Amino acid sequence: GQQLNQSPQSMFIQEGEDVSMNCTSSSIFNTWLWYKQEPGEGPVLLIALYKAGELTSNGRLTAQFGITRKDSFLNISASIPSDVGIYFCAGLNTNAGKSTFGDGTTLTVKP
Amino acid sequence: EAQVTQNPRYLITVTGKKLTVTCSQNMNHEYMSWYRQDPGLGLRQIYYSMNVEVTDKGDVPEGYKVSRKEKRNFPLILESPSPNQTSLYFCASSLLGGPAEQYFGPGTRLTVT
Repeated sequence: GQQLNQSPQSMFIQEGEDVSMNCTSSSIFNTWLWYKQEPGEGPVLLIALYKAGELTSNGRLTAQFGITRKDSFLNISASIPSDVGIYFCAGLNTNAGKSTFGDGTTLTVKP
Repeated sequence: EAQVTQNPRYLITVTGKKLTVTCSQNMNHEYMSWYRQDPGLGLRQIYYSMNVEVTDKGDVPEGYKVSRKEKRNFPLILESPSPNQTSLYFCASSLLGGPAEQYFGPGTRLTVT
């Protein structure tokens, strides 16, 4: 099946630092999604991207849909302790049914 | 409150004993899906349903069954559970015709001994 390579696998940063993570795929997608999962809970949608080249922000989070449609990036600016969690990317083609998730980036923020 | 609910939240069972994990959503979503999450492997799709009576295999369907008789419910059935099905399971639903912007349930942690 389709595979997504998400990196880095984990990050340990100081509060206030900026964070960058990305996902790459061997397949083209028409939608990229970014989710955050906190301990004991299901993933929660952060940002949805529907167009190649699209740059979308949600507060301190900014995500981009790569021009090639095979990658996506998530940036978090001025990190805070509540940013801790696992961040997942997901690539999919709408109306096709299947979703492919990356393996996740575990973020730890030190106060 | 709009939500996806799963039951049970925790389950310990023995090899071969049939079990069902229920999933229900109150948002009138057409699309529903099941995932399993294992350490270091992210979320892997088991089965999905585009609408009532329409189901299809995801990436890891072996050992699982699903049914979609009503729009709001999408149970996951393990006919003969095995230890390699020990995992954290999530149900999700989506308003749009496909899997975009899925809302996830709280998860079911299953242990098969």
